[in-house]
Amino acid sequence: DAKTTQPNSMESNEEEPVHLPCNHSTISGTDYIHWYRQLPSQGPEYVIHGLTSNVNNRMASLAIAEDRKSSTLILHRATLRDAAVYYCILRDQNVRAGSYQLTFGKGTKLSVIP
Amino acid sequence: DAGVIQSPRHEVTEMGQEVTLRCKPISGHNSLFWYRQTMMRGLELLIYFNNNVPIDDSGMPEDRFSAKMPNASFSTLKIQPSEPRDSAVYFCASSWGQGRRETQYFGPGTRLLVL
Repeated sequence: DAKTTQPNSMESNEEEPVHLPCNHSTISGTDYIHWYRQLPSQGPEYVIHGLTSNVNNRMASLAIAEDRKSSTLILHRATLRDAAVYYCILRDQNVRAGSYQLTFGKGTKLSVIP
Repeated sequence: DAGVIQSPRHEVTEMGQEVTLRCKPISGHNSLFWYRQTMMRGLELLIYFNNNVPIDDSGMPEDRFSAKMPNASFSTLKIQPSEPRDSAVYFCASSWGQGRRETQYFGPGTRLLVL
């Protein structure tokens, strides 16, 4: 899977929006952008994924740059429960070339201030 | 849906002892993954099963580690003999499909401490 770059840490005030950036300049045309998060003392959990268009679900929104070299995970209203490490992961959807494992980087540790 | 179930949640053992970690995947899922998380190496895949068959065990550290999946609802990861460097959090995850693209659902993990 192609490499991603994320800030080590970010802070947000409670009830404010949070924008978590991810750079993936070597992304290929068949790579989907996935986000997982890991709350303290828990296993990772899926947040959202997308290919080209912006995506929304009940947890977050994903904004993908037009050239797909970067993306932003948006939490519209951060709560204390959103404090976690957020991982941006590229997954090749080409069955022949894609790998089945999730390759986790260091992620971004999000702190939410009450 | 109970999610992925792992047991025990915590394990403390002495060097040289056998350790067995257990996982029950989500019902209906046919892919199962064992990951290990340490501060130094982060999250790394140990082994992947599809339809109860080990597909890739290249991440298994050495012969002291073994994993089995006797049926679709149960898997074990065994370490024999255990060593202090095996101390980590071990996660089991499952997904439906070939596992290449589908969302993986993780269990709460087993925190292993080898003294």
